Amino acid sequence: GIQVEQSPPDLILQEGANSTLRCNFSDSVNNLQWFHQNPWGQLINLFYIPSGTKQNGRLSATTVATERYSLLYISSSQTTDSGVYFCAAYNTDKLIFGTGTRLQVFP
Amino acid sequence: SQTIHQWPATLVQPVGSPLSLECTVEGTSNPNLYWYRQAAGRGLQLLFYSVGIGQISSEVPQNLSASRPQDRQFILSSKKLLLSDSGFYLCAWNRQGSGNTIYFGEGSWLTVV
Repeated sequence: GIQVEQSPPDLILQEGANSTLRCNFSDSVNNLQWFHQNPWGQLINLFYIPSGTKQNGRLSATTVATERYSLLYISSSQTTDSGVYFCAAYNTDKLIFGTGTRLQVFP
Repeated sequence: SQTIHQWPATLVQPVGSPLSLECTVEGTSNPNLYWYRQAAGRGLQLLFYSVGIGQISSEVPQNLSASRPQDRQFILSSKKLLLSDSGFYLCAWNRQGSGNTIYFGEGSWLTVV
């Protein structure tokens, strides 16, 4: 089956710093989503991005489907950005999650 | 608008006891429904998915089962819980079709003691 890998596994930032999270997938996918899991476990949709670039405030994402990767950019990070970031890729009708990047932002 | 609810939010169960987690979706019809589990750490593992009433696909062999008695109801069950069943269980849905946006419920924390 499809493999979805994320890097880095852990990231520690000071408030105000920028970061880039990467998601690689091993096979063609129908689509890709980015999620943020907050400390209470809730999964929040960030982007639904099969290709191209999208922006939402301080966050943006780019997917290059032909090269099988997606990037999530966080600019001017805040302590509330802390948590685990997942990418998930669709393979036919199933969403397969990556291993996640745990982000800690300190004041 | 569509909403998804799952319950209970938290439960502590003894080894060998039964389990029933329930998930319902409102505001849509004929959704795809999913159960994921997140064990200690960070990965989410797909357990079951359903494309229609009575249609259940299991992704991994395990001590759990799923049922879809109604179009927008998805139930995760076990007859006898194991310690290894502890974890965070998430129900999710999306529209029928290829690769539509998926939405998650609030999750259920299960501790088997």
